[in-house]
Amino acid sequence: DAKTTQPPSMDCAEGRAANLPCNHSTISGNEYVYWYRQIHSQGPQYIIHGLKNNETNEMASLIITEDRKSSTLILPHATLRDTAVYYCIVKSPNQAGTALIFGKGTTLSVSS
Amino acid sequence: GAGVSQTPSNKVTEKGKYVELRCDPISGHTALYWYRQSLGQGPEFLIYFQGTGAADDSGLPNDRFFAVRPEGSVSTLKIQRTERGDSAVYLCASSSRTDSYEQYFGPGTRLTVT
Repeated sequence: DAKTTQPPSMDCAEGRAANLPCNHSTISGNEYVYWYRQIHSQGPQYIIHGLKNNETNEMASLIITEDRKSSTLILPHATLRDTAVYYCIVKSPNQAGTALIFGKGTTLSVSS
Repeated sequence: GAGVSQTPSNKVTEKGKYVELRCDPISGHTALYWYRQSLGQGPEFLIYFQGTGAADDSGLPNDRFFAVRPEGSVSTLKIQRTERGDSAVYLCASSSRTDSYEQYFGPGTRLTVT
């Protein structure tokens, strides 16, 4: 079973920031938080990952609470192409090659 | 460069038939994964290969499902005596051993069993 909890859906206006929350209260010390997204009819796509520090890349920012029990993925300026299902996953990178355990994710709808 | 490719993109078969689904991973990626995704659900792990061997096949639902990767690159997922419940999108992903945090997914094969 997935070790994360996410809201089933969210809406966002184009150009605004999209903040997607994730609860992972049972995360263990060596587990990272990963975010993937899946655009309709495509395979999932890696977005970002982090352990305890906030992370930023060209796609998004990841904010992890100090107790690591929750995190937020931030898309700073959402576009229509960001409409997708977003999955929050916890996994230990030391377990090379282990599978990703997906939940149902959050369906983000960006509208103009 | 070329990403993960899967063929066919769509497959319709009759109940009881045998099907093969093919995955071409990114060149040089040693790890290969198969997932299955039913409508409205997240992908569900089936099997993982490291090189030619199946390192973890705990997600295969039953013995009708089998997968091979004989030369450590292309993989084939085989389903015998298909059932209507096997209808789903079958996704393949690959990753390099050193960058195991990121899996690269193909577009999937949509299997419909009538």
